[in-house]
Amino acid sequence: DTAVSQTPKYLVTQMGNDKSIKCEQNLGHDTMYWYKQDSKKFLKIMFSYNNKELIINETVPNRFSPKSPDKAHLNLHINSLELGDSAVYFCASSQDLAAQETQYFGPGTRLLVL
Amino acid sequence: AQTVTQSQPEMSVQEAETVTLSCTYDTSESNYYLFWYKQPPSRQMILVIRQEAYKQQNATENRFSVNFQKAAKSFSLKISDSQLGDTAMYFCAFHNTNAGKSTFGDGTTLTVKP
Repeated sequence: DTAVSQTPKYLVTQMGNDKSIKCEQNLGHDTMYWYKQDSKKFLKIMFSYNNKELIINETVPNRFSPKSPDKAHLNLHINSLELGDSAVYFCASSQDLAAQETQYFGPGTRLLVL
Repeated sequence: AQTVTQSQPEMSVQEAETVTLSCTYDTSESNYYLFWYKQPPSRQMILVIRQEAYKQQNATENRFSVNFQKAAKSFSLKISDSQLGDTAMYFCAFHNTNAGKSTFGDGTTLTVKP
């Protein structure tokens, strides 16, 4: 009964590859997010979507392209992976824009770029 | 822009004792929320406690309570009767209701010793 799930949990890949991380929430929420937690554990928001529409894009390189096929899913595609993309990526959701203050996080996807 | 500062990168406490983690923030907003999240070694982000800025009463959740000083822009977390399972990284977060964005502090690693 996982509320927010991410796949894969671990991803090891070569520099220059393209990879995707998937996120699904079964909470019936309207709003979803992607966060990046770097090696120093700093947590920064990347994107937020509400009802499949992009709300926040926090100056993320355009190699990162989120896609929301429906409001229960927010996938993150990364092109031309770089060493600096190595991090833990967290997906989160909130009921709606008015309730963004309470976010439910997924378990994280640990990406290692070699 | 909001900033969140956690001045204690690491802390330790003996089991059953009380520990306080500090957090200060800077904002010109009047409508916001504050949170403490716990991140155990499993990397899951778990909401510990939240505080609405408009509420003067400090939030409490079982052994966890906050000391919210709005004028001083301070939001500390007190953990009473510390347990080994409290060992984790703790993040203080500020949610800007108008911008719909959360800003996280750099985290405090708490170790509970037996």
